Amino acid sequence: GDSVTQTEGLVTLTEGLPVMLNCTYQSTYSPFLFWYVQHLNEAPKLLLKSFTDNKRPEHQGFHATLHKSSSSFHLQKSSAQLSDSALYYCAWDSNYQLIWGSGTKLIIKP
Amino acid sequence: DPKIIQKPKYLVAVTGSEKILICEQYLGHNAMYWYRQSAKKPLEFMFSYSYQKLMDNQTASSRFQPQSSKKNHLDLQITALKPDDSATYFCASSQDLDINTEVFFGKGTRLTVV
Repeated sequence: GDSVTQTEGLVTLTEGLPVMLNCTYQSTYSPFLFWYVQHLNEAPKLLLKSFTDNKRPEHQGFHATLHKSSSSFHLQKSSAQLSDSALYYCAWDSNYQLIWGSGTKLIIKP
Repeated sequence: DPKIIQKPKYLVAVTGSEKILICEQYLGHNAMYWYRQSAKKPLEFMFSYSYQKLMDNQTASSRFQPQSSKKNHLDLQITALKPDDSATYFCASSQDLDINTEVFFGKGTRLTVV
């Protein structure tokens, strides 16, 4: 069935290194995909979402590109900051509800 | 200044009891939702409401009953509480029940059932 997959449960990086968090989807139609970020003891917040016109969404230095050929919407950032440490969810808009991936915990170390 | 208010922030309940989780949103949104986040599990969609009408229910147990007394309220009543119900419950809202619409989340109610 339709689903979203985040393969990494935990990613640990040193500050300044590039970030890439994986997200792939399985869908019978072209989905709308989102990245939400949840900092410790906070509510999830929208980080960015896919566009229908192939534009690359960007926010707070993060960007993601929807690749229909590989069914992916990976989250990237060129240089990690300590404040990027959080839980990141890839989500898919399916029939008016968000289908969530399992989440990737990103830890940035000095 | 939070726009989605959830009360209480923390809640401890005894097995078998009943609790109501409160949610009010002041964003002028027409759609509201409940999500659950259990320890070591991803966020899980529970219910969606649009204009105070139930649109989708992905919760198997009838022990969970949303209640919408006003357009900007969506409370969650949980009866016959079990320890497995322990989780953080997030209320959320969006402008409408449209595809590709940003969903805003409250800060959650952390429920512990003992």
